Amino acid sequence: ILNVEQSPQSLHVQEGDSTNFTCSFPSSNFYALHWYRWETAKSPEALFVMTLNGDEKKKGRISATLNTKEGYSYLYIKGSQPEDSATYLCAFFSAGGTSYGKLTFGQGTILTVHP
Amino acid sequence: DAGVIQSPRHEVTEMGQEVTLRCKPISGHDYLFWYRQTMMRGLELLIYFNNNVPIDDSGMPEDRFSAKMPNASFSTLKIQPSEPRDSAVYFCASSLRGGLTTIYFGEGSWLTVV
Repeated sequence: ILNVEQSPQSLHVQEGDSTNFTCSFPSSNFYALHWYRWETAKSPEALFVMTLNGDEKKKGRISATLNTKEGYSYLYIKGSQPEDSATYLCAFFSAGGTSYGKLTFGQGTILTVHP
Repeated sequence: DAGVIQSPRHEVTEMGQEVTLRCKPISGHDYLFWYRQTMMRGLELLIYFNNNVPIDDSGMPEDRFSAKMPNASFSTLKIQPSEPRDSAVYFCASSLRGGLTTIYFGEGSWLTVV
């Protein structure tokens, strides 16, 4: 069973604050790391798929970094807005072992942005 | 493209009844996934297919669950007989190249077993 852990579990920030959260994953058999944004009563929406160590991706005010050697990824939101409130999920795609080909999700970080 | 299409969106059924959830992946996608979302376990992979062939079903909870993909544009997840603990949101998702490319989720099937 792969351990994909996200922290913190939940986060409350004020509008305009910048914030970041962490995804930890196994440093072996790395294939890809995904980030998703999930609003209540909707389906998860892809933000990034990252495959290379040192990769940095950006989409508007949201960006992500990847360190495959130490097994972590950070997601940053600059100038949070109330519409950013959602659960942010990371998922690890394994290249080997009994988990080959599986995309294993973390439990998510619930972000609430207060006006 | 219409995206991943799931049906039904909501299902309420009595314990012991058979439940069939349906999924139409995005055209051209070779991978199809079935996930289950619960409060306790989060989003867990039940089974995935590559080119209509089941690759890993180790996440299927027990023999009451079965999944098929008779062709590239259709998959079913069946629960027979259903139990209250099966109540969850079931997501179907598809991708072009497995976990190396974006995985697109359907809107989910909300199942309640009473």
